[in-house]
Amino acid sequence: GAVVSQHPSWVICKSGTSVKIECRSLDFQATTMFWYRQFPKQSLMLMATSNEGSKATYEQGVEKDKFLINHASLTLSTLTVTSAHPEDSSFYICSASRSTSSYNSPLHFGNGTRLTVT
Amino acid sequence: GQQVMQIPQYQHVQEGEDFTTYCNSSTTLSNIQWYKQRPGGHPVFLIQLVKSGEVKKQKRLTFQFGEAKKNSSLHITATQTTDVGTYFCAGPLTGGGNKLTFGTGTQLKVEL
Repeated sequence: GAVVSQHPSWVICKSGTSVKIECRSLDFQATTMFWYRQFPKQSLMLMATSNEGSKATYEQGVEKDKFLINHASLTLSTLTVTSAHPEDSSFYICSASRSTSSYNSPLHFGNGTRLTVT
Repeated sequence: GQQVMQIPQYQHVQEGEDFTTYCNSSTTLSNIQWYKQRPGGHPVFLIQLVKSGEVKKQKRLTFQFGEAKKNSSLHITATQTTDVGTYFCAGPLTGGGNKLTFGTGTQLKVEL
């Protein structure tokens, strides 16, 4: 099956610093990857769509200058949380789909990154 | 905006009891997907339903897509401790191409 690797699994950083999270599709190419955020005991909220070779598209209410997304290759997308604050503490999960069809195909999720900002 | 709600929010059952979670969308969906997230884990794809009234089974799990394609259900027969987790339905975001919007989720706890 499709494998999506996310790194790091967890990170603790000080307020004001930046944190980079990597998401890799290991056995398939992903022209599109999705970044979600999940607060404890809540659902997944789509933050942005990462597009290979072009700018990411952000969902309403998500600050693009705070959550920088880069999709430099067909197998790697990165999310950088800039100038992190305690309210940014959350579980960030990336996902990708094998299919490039416009029809929804299943998402394969990375293991997620638990970010704690102190 | 588009909303996908699930009920119940939480469910505690004794092992061997049945469990059902219901998913309701504010808009008609072209398809619906179900995911399971174990505690501390990431969502794992279970199934996709496409046709109106479609029913699919995976061992003890039965998935159904409503006739109007606005609701769905997941039924687990004779729950086991391995069924513990949060079950999410997800449907395409209106006008969003491949983007999915996730339901509010139902957390299942199974006690011996």
